Amino acid sequence: EVQLLESGGGLVQPGGSLRLSCTASGLTLNTYVMSWVRQAPGKGLEWVSGMSSYGGRTYYADSVKGRFTISRDNSKNTLYLQMNSLRAEDTGVYYCAKGWVGFDWYFDLWGRGTPVTVSS
Amino acid sequence: DTQMTQSPASLSASVGDRVTITCQASHDIRNSLNWYQQKPGKAPKLLIYDAYNLERGVPSRFSGSGSGTDFSLTISSLQPEDSATYFCQQYGNPLPITFGQGTRLEIK
Repeated sequence: EVQLLESGGGLVQPGGSLRLSCTASGLTLNTYVMSWVRQAPGKGLEWVSGMSSYGGRTYYADSVKGRFTISRDNSKNTLYLQMNSLRAEDTGVYYCAKGWVGFDWYFDLWGRGTPVTVSS
Repeated sequence: DTQMTQSPASLSASVGDRVTITCQASHDIRNSLNWYQQKPGKAPKLLIYDAYNLERGVPSRFSGSGSGTDFSLTISSLQPEDSATYFCQQYGNPLPITFGQGTRLEIK
C-alpha cells in the first residue's frame, strides 16, 4: 500500500526544537516534489516548506524561513522537517504531502499528520 | 506572494443542489490551481488539479474551471457525503504555495 507516515510531533516549549519525519512506503520519495503543510487548531491549511524532486531544491514560507529546514534521506526514503526556535503560532497538525514531478505542486497523497504543540 | 481569496466562507445547501465555490488569485497563476476536500479529523483529499482535471477516483459531479486569476469548483448534484470543508491551493511560479481560507459546506 502506498502511504506516508509522519512522526516526531509532541509538546515543546517556546524556543525549543523538534524534528518531524515522514516515511514513505510503496513509492520512492525523491521521484516527487514533497511538502509539509500545517493546520492550526480550527484553522485552514498553511503550506510550510517544499522540496523538488531529484535535485532537491528547497522552498519555505516566509513565516518559517530561517527557522525550519526541510531535508530528505534517500536511503531511508524519508522526508524531514527540522523546526528550531519554535513559537506558539507554530502549533498545529503537520502533514507530509506528495506532489508530482517537475513543478507540479498538487498533492495527491497525504499522511495522517503529526500534532505539534508549542507551549510553556 | 500570490494571495487567494476564497468565497463563500460557508454555505448550506440541500441534497441535489448545484453548488459553486470560487477562488480569486492576486496575480495571474495560469492554471496552477488545485482543489481539496477535508473532513473533520482527516487529511485533505485532492479533487481537482491544474484548474479542471478530475483526480482519479473522484466522482464526476465535481468539476473545476477557470484560468488566470478566477477559478471555481462546482458540485453538480450535492450528496450527503459532500459535507466537508473545501480549499483551493495555488502554485504559481515562483513559489510560495498558498491556500484559500476554506469553505465549510453543510448539507441541510
